[in-house]
Amino acid sequence: GEDVEQSLFLSVREGDSSVINCTYTDSSSTYLYWYKQEPGAGLQLLTYIFSNMDMKQDQRLTVLLNKKDKHLSLRIADTQTGDSAIYFCAEKDNQGGKLIFGQGTELSVKP
Amino acid sequence: DAMVIQNPRYQVTQFGKPVTLSCSQTLNHNVMYWYQQKSSQAPKLLFHYYDKDFNNEADTPDNFQSRRPNTSFCFLDIRSPGLGDAAMYLCATSNQPSPDRAGETQYFGPGTRLLVL
Repeated sequence: GEDVEQSLFLSVREGDSSVINCTYTDSSSTYLYWYKQEPGAGLQLLTYIFSNMDMKQDQRLTVLLNKKDKHLSLRIADTQTGDSAIYFCAEKDNQGGKLIFGQGTELSVKP
Repeated sequence: DAMVIQNPRYQVTQFGKPVTLSCSQTLNHNVMYWYQQKSSQAPKLLFHYYDKDFNNEADTPDNFQSRRPNTSFCFLDIRSPGLGDAAMYLCATSNQPSPDRAGETQYFGPGTRLLVL
């Protein structure tokens, strides 16, 4: 079945780059997403990438997609303390649009 | 601003006492979703409405029901909440051209945190 996996924790220093990794199993996924969740809040869409792209950049965020290895990453440049949150990777089921989420990576940014 | 609104943000109920959570949207999206997210876990889809058509996930307990009286509103009813139903409940919406094709991006509300005493 479909499965999305992420490492659970990442700790970086303020100003460094953060790289959050994700692997997925459904090769027919059309879109892959990154959502951010701050404590006690809902999911905020950060960015997404279409499956025929291999990179997308949006300000401090860079998404890399390796479709052959089914590997997705989110790079946050110049990480700030406000970036501390849980980051969820998700793939979209090609039929019906259901989102399959990873278990989330908790990013901790230390001053 | 167009958005997904969930009320209340926090809900306390008693074991076995029915509770309703509400979601509204100003995006005019045709699909609305309800997710359950337990502490330190990924959101899990309970069901969704494609227009007025209800689509239940196979492993969603019968205790969870939903209503969508119009495009803008969707309700989650928990008939007899148990302690294990304490969680964050997230509503999301998207535009989807047909039931068997992947739709556009899902936008989430802020969530309702349910506490069961």
